[in-house]
Amino acid sequence: AQRVTQPEKLLSVFKGAPVELKCNYSYSGSPELFWYVQYSRQRLQLLLRHISRESIKGFTADLNKGETSFHLKKPFAQEEDSAMYYCALSDRGSTLGRLYFGRGTQLTVWP
Amino acid sequence: DAGVIQSPRHEVTEMGQEVTLRCKPISGHDYLFWYRQTMMRGLELLIYFNNNVPIDDSGMPEDRFSAKMPNASFSTLKIQPSEPRDSAVYFCASSLNQGLAGGGVQYFGPGTRLLVL
Repeated sequence: AQRVTQPEKLLSVFKGAPVELKCNYSYSGSPELFWYVQYSRQRLQLLLRHISRESIKGFTADLNKGETSFHLKKPFAQEEDSAMYYCALSDRGSTLGRLYFGRGTQLTVWP
Repeated sequence: DAGVIQSPRHEVTEMGQEVTLRCKPISGHDYLFWYRQTMMRGLELLIYFNNNVPIDDSGMPEDRFSAKMPNASFSTLKIQPSEPRDSAVYFCASSLNQGLAGGGVQYFGPGTRLLVL
């Protein structure tokens, strides 16, 4: 079974502080990991995916297969980063096409 | 492309009434997903389709919920009869086959905010 765990439901930091949103997964196949973001009362949108290896809005995430983690990091948080963040997993070797989402972490960045 | 389109954006209804939510996926996408989002349970996958065929409906809470995809550009999620506990935001999403370039990424609609009184 595929499992995505985001251990923190809520996370608060001050502006300019580093932030790390944790994501751990449990899957024996060939996973692809994503981070989605949902700003207040807006649709979910893709933030980044691990195969792209890019930095979006200052955020990065590295897939650590040894620790089965895909933590999202930003060195200096901004107030506009306040949002709900979802980690998601898909099986690259599968044709099923679905994503498995974590429960989400609500990030609040205080001024 | 306008992205995934959902209607209505807001729906307020009384318990026992039928509710129909609509979704138009991005043209060319062959997967369509229905999700429900609540504070208590987070984002739940209800059902998803591939090439208009339901693949997995194990997330549909009960027989009061049904979903159809009569063609590649339209899907409905129906709740009959509705109950207060159905109050949530319902999202539709679509994606390309992940075997294709750019595939696997789901694009979400704006959601339908449902309130059942």
